[in-house]
Amino acid sequence: VQIQESGPGLVKPSETLSLTCTVSGNSIQNYYWSWIRQPPGKGLEWIAYIYNTASTNYNPALKSRAAISIDTSKNQISMRLTSVTAADTALYYCARDRGLWQRGFSNWGQGVLVTVSS
Amino acid sequence: EIVLSQSPDTLSLSPGDSATLSCRASQSVDSNSLAWYQQKPGQAPRLLIYAVSTRATGIPDRFSGGGSGTDFTLTIRRLEPEDFAVYYCQCFGGSLYTFGPGAKLEIK
Repeated sequence: VQIQESGPGLVKPSETLSLTCTVSGNSIQNYYWSWIRQPPGKGLEWIAYIYNTASTNYNPALKSRAAISIDTSKNQISMRLTSVTAADTALYYCARDRGLWQRGFSNWGQGVLVTVSS
Repeated sequence: EIVLSQSPDTLSLSPGDSATLSCRASQSVDSNSLAWYQQKPGQAPRLLIYAVSTRATGIPDRFSGGGSGTDFTLTIRRLEPEDFAVYYCQCFGGSLYTFGPGAKLEIK
């Protein structure tokens, strides 16, 4: 499976960040897909997951600003983050959980760097 | 929400040594939901261990995981130069994913 994130490299403060994860080589159905971010020089922060069109959940710290969606016809997972600030500057990853039973993010994209700046 | 802590923050060792990294959870973690990752500069994280002790595909048997409940460890035997990196533990609980803050394994 190949995972490719895409999105704008630069977003202005207070605007909405929109990212897309395009998956090839395998259907995105029946897997948990997550967005994870990593600010420069810092650790990993899970943002949200989606499972088919039936289930989503969010990091409580970001729940009010994040929205994750899925388009199975395009094999894509998307994320929107509203009212961004400089603290949202990060490398954003799309990742697939290996299974419903024994979990772990077995497949990752290379990430897309998003800078929030005016 | 489960909070993960890792220790030590930084571990300085030499090639050939063994490393033990710890991960502690604020509440009990299901044994099928604890994983470890390795991240090198400029690269995405790589899954090493899932379900506490199962090595992911292609991971050498120098890497092993253990523990239960709230205390988990990642052990790396016979350190190779390519093992020096940052390591993260991660769990899934209460329908939320959580990462530990990371632990840096550096060359002494």
